[in-house]
Amino acid sequence: NAGVMQNPRHLVRRRGQEARLRCSPMKGHSHVYWYRQLPEEGLKFMVYLQKENIIDESGMPKERFSAEFPKEGPSILRIQQVVRGDSAAYFCASSQGPPSSYEQYFGPGTRLTVT
Amino acid sequence: EDQVTQSPEALRLQEGESSSLNCSYTVSGLRGLFWYRQDPGKGPEFLFTLYSAGEEKEKERLKATLTKKESFLHITAPKPEDSATYLCAVQARTGGSYIPTFGRGTSLIVHP
Repeated sequence: NAGVMQNPRHLVRRRGQEARLRCSPMKGHSHVYWYRQLPEEGLKFMVYLQKENIIDESGMPKERFSAEFPKEGPSILRIQQVVRGDSAAYFCASSQGPPSSYEQYFGPGTRLTVT
Repeated sequence: EDQVTQSPEALRLQEGESSSLNCSYTVSGLRGLFWYRQDPGKGPEFLFTLYSAGEEKEKERLKATLTKKESFLHITAPKPEDSATYLCAVQARTGGSYIPTFGRGTSLIVHP
């Protein structure tokens, strides 16, 4: 049973470009979460989605960031007009049900470098 | 606001030297406390969930315990392959969508 998959694993973008990060949850999981991890810092929650719905985006920056989890296909975290401060590791996690009752399982992450 | 503090930030042990990692938390009613292991360049790997004070869980050389204010991850006779960063996260009982708050982690290095 494949785990959470993320691609690309490494992404380099120049300032002002767009970054698209993809996440395929574990089989049977319909809840997806995105986190950001900066060096020497903990995991910071960004957004929680269920199929076609954003459940909680309280950790998402107000501008340039968006996320979706369509009926078909992976969840996508999109960062428009990237800046150097966006350089970080972005992790996706999934769960079988809501976080109130189910543990989250993480993917390997996408490491974004903005030059 | 929920807070999670892990100590020490870094820990170096000799193989076989048992020790404990600490996770102190402030939360408006604890629903669950999670421990994860993270290897360099990889995503966190789920280890344990604890729900109530006094609860204990074990997995190989690891044992997690929980009190009303903190959790300990005890490592008995560690091996070099136990070297990793260990993350603690807490989930509040009330409000929001029950997204856990993570600590900064303890980086453990076990020397052979």
